[in-house]
Amino acid sequence: KAGVTQTPRYLIKTRGQQVTLSCSPISGHRSVSWYQQTPGQGLQFLFEYFSETQRNKGNFPGRFSGRQFSNSRSEMNVSTLELGDSALYLCASSLADSPGTGELFFGEGSRLTVL
Amino acid sequence: QKEVEQNSGPLSVPEGAIASLNCTYSDRGSQSFFWYRQYSGKSPELIMFIYSNGDKEDGRFTAQLNKASQYVSLLIRDSQPSDSATYLCAVTNDYKLSFGAGTTVTVRA
Repeated sequence: KAGVTQTPRYLIKTRGQQVTLSCSPISGHRSVSWYQQTPGQGLQFLFEYFSETQRNKGNFPGRFSGRQFSNSRSEMNVSTLELGDSALYLCASSLADSPGTGELFFGEGSRLTVL
Repeated sequence: QKEVEQNSGPLSVPEGAIASLNCTYSDRGSQSFFWYRQYSGKSPELIMFIYSNGDKEDGRFTAQLNKASQYVSLLIRDSQPSDSATYLCAVTNDYKLSFGAGTTVTVRA
């Protein structure tokens, strides 16, 4: 059974550019959530989607957006990149309808470096 | 106040000893509690979850939850070098999972 797949694994961008990250959840999982991990702030919740609907959003500026497709695949986009956006972006999928009741399976992450 | 706080560490324990990790949370309405392990350069993986007050044991791991004190802990018995990792406490509320900053554990052989 394939795990959560994130692409690209590594990318380098410059300030002001935008980036799109992709996540394919485990087959059958309808909940997808995104997290930003930095050494200083740890793991911070970005947003969570279930059946193409965003159910919750973390405290990030509007430059961070996401969506989920009918096949449960998800993308997140960061526009007008800033140096502080450099981080590991982790996607996680869950079988449970409510994220509070099921195990989150994490992908390997997309490491973004903003120069 | 951070939503989830963990003892900062790092925590160094000799092989075979007990490692004790602590976590407190601010939202009294939190419902589910998780411990994740993250090896350096890898993504987090779930090792324990607990929903009810009391203790829950799984092999060498024991999670303890006290909702009145808003406190959850993880004990690792008979610590092994392979337990060396960062342990993340996570708490759910309203469709999101809030993580603590993590405690790095090093098991000395």
